[in-house]
Amino acid sequence: GQQLNQSPQSMFIQEGEDVSMNCTSSSIFNTWLWYKQDPGEGPVLLIALYKAGELTSNGRLTAQFGITRKDSFLNISASIPSDVGIYFCAGVYYAGNQFYFGTGTSLTVIP
Amino acid sequence: DTGVSQDPRHKITKRGQNVTFRCDPISEHNRLYWYRQTLGQGPEFLTYFQNEAQLEKSRLLSDRFSAERPKGSFSTLEIQRTEQGDSAMYLCASSLLRNTIYFGEGSWLTVV
Repeated sequence: GQQLNQSPQSMFIQEGEDVSMNCTSSSIFNTWLWYKQDPGEGPVLLIALYKAGELTSNGRLTAQFGITRKDSFLNISASIPSDVGIYFCAGVYYAGNQFYFGTGTSLTVIP
Repeated sequence: DTGVSQDPRHKITKRGQNVTFRCDPISEHNRLYWYRQTLGQGPEFLTYFQNEAQLEKSRLLSDRFSAERPKGSFSTLEIQRTEQGDSAMYLCASSLLRNTIYFGEGSWLTVV
């Protein structure tokens, strides 16, 4: 199945710094989702985007649905230690039932 | 808590044995998904139900895998004659709307 390309693969940042990550696809999606996964747990939905160009915030998290419909971005402001985890993007076609996931961005926050 | 519930959370089995995982979706959700995730990878789609109908299956779902959702509520995923390559986390997700899915905590399978 298709996997989306996420970058960077991993990030090591100081507490308080801002974080940016992105996700690209060779195909157009009509919905982009961002999840956070802690070790041994299932992914937890952070933000859902339903329209090209849409910018949505959830606390310190902001995500954007790219205009081309082939990419999405996630920003985390003023990172804190509990932001540590793996962040996954996911996309779905309008008429499809299958959600395609990225390869993940591993975030480490150094206190 | 009324999220997606999976059982068991961890299973260690000997190669060749059968295992079954259960998923209870969020109560009003009519769509249910199974995904598989290995270390360092994102979740990979296995199969999808709308109510009790299994509408889509991935090529990853070999003949040894079978999933059911008999009454359109809970679902089971059975793996027969397990192989070491089946070791992974099996994730269940559910949704009401087509374009947003919520995951359970996952069921870890280790085949020894």
